[in-house]
Amino acid sequence: QQPVQSPQAVILREGEDAVINCSSSKALYSVHWYRQKHGEAPVFLMILLKGGEQKGHEKISASFNEKKQQSSLYLTASQLSYSGTYFCGTGDDKIIFGKGTRLHILP
Amino acid sequence: SAVISQKPSRDICQRGTSLTIQCQVDSQVTMMFWYRQQPGQSLTLIATANQGSEATYESGFVIDKFPISRPNLTFSTLTVSNMSPEDSSIYLCSVEDSGEDYGYTFGSGTRLTVV
Repeated sequence: QQPVQSPQAVILREGEDAVINCSSSKALYSVHWYRQKHGEAPVFLMILLKGGEQKGHEKISASFNEKKQQSSLYLTASQLSYSGTYFCGTGDDKIIFGKGTRLHILP
Repeated sequence: SAVISQKPSRDICQRGTSLTIQCQVDSQVTMMFWYRQQPGQSLTLIATANQGSEATYESGFVIDKFPISRPNLTFSTLTVSNMSPEDSSIYLCSVEDSGEDYGYTFGSGTRLTVV
């Protein structure tokens, strides 16, 4: 079942923070996060595992609330290079992706 | 992480014809995945390809329309058969990386336009 992402789109000024949410109606054992720039393939950012720790990657980090079946991606002090579409993905032997969140960073 | 070579990168095809997309991985992988992405949309899983067995198709996708081959652990093809303009999309193959912090690596995609 497709996870639900929110918001659909975000416009930020460089240096501002953003949070992207991902939720599922099914029990989650892992959540993937990817970023896709226009005209390129999606790139893996991080995976959150059930019972695992919050992950971080540069100024991008994520949390996983197993009870609420939710994950959130945090972008701190956003840079122009963070622009793109962010997808969360859930599943065990195959990944089903959410509809994506478009992030646009203004200088 | 794995490196995937996908080709062709783009093609323009006549309706009613077929196109075969190839993906070559630089390491052996158990499962390969084929996704479709309409412009500005999410990635939709078409099928999972295992070596030595028939591919497993997702709801809405059938083998006659999207036959898949998986002759070995590093290679797979997806054929889009009897194409119509509705098949115009980006097709991507993907593999699951191994290791502690694994995710999926994607091929660069095939942009298909059916006219």
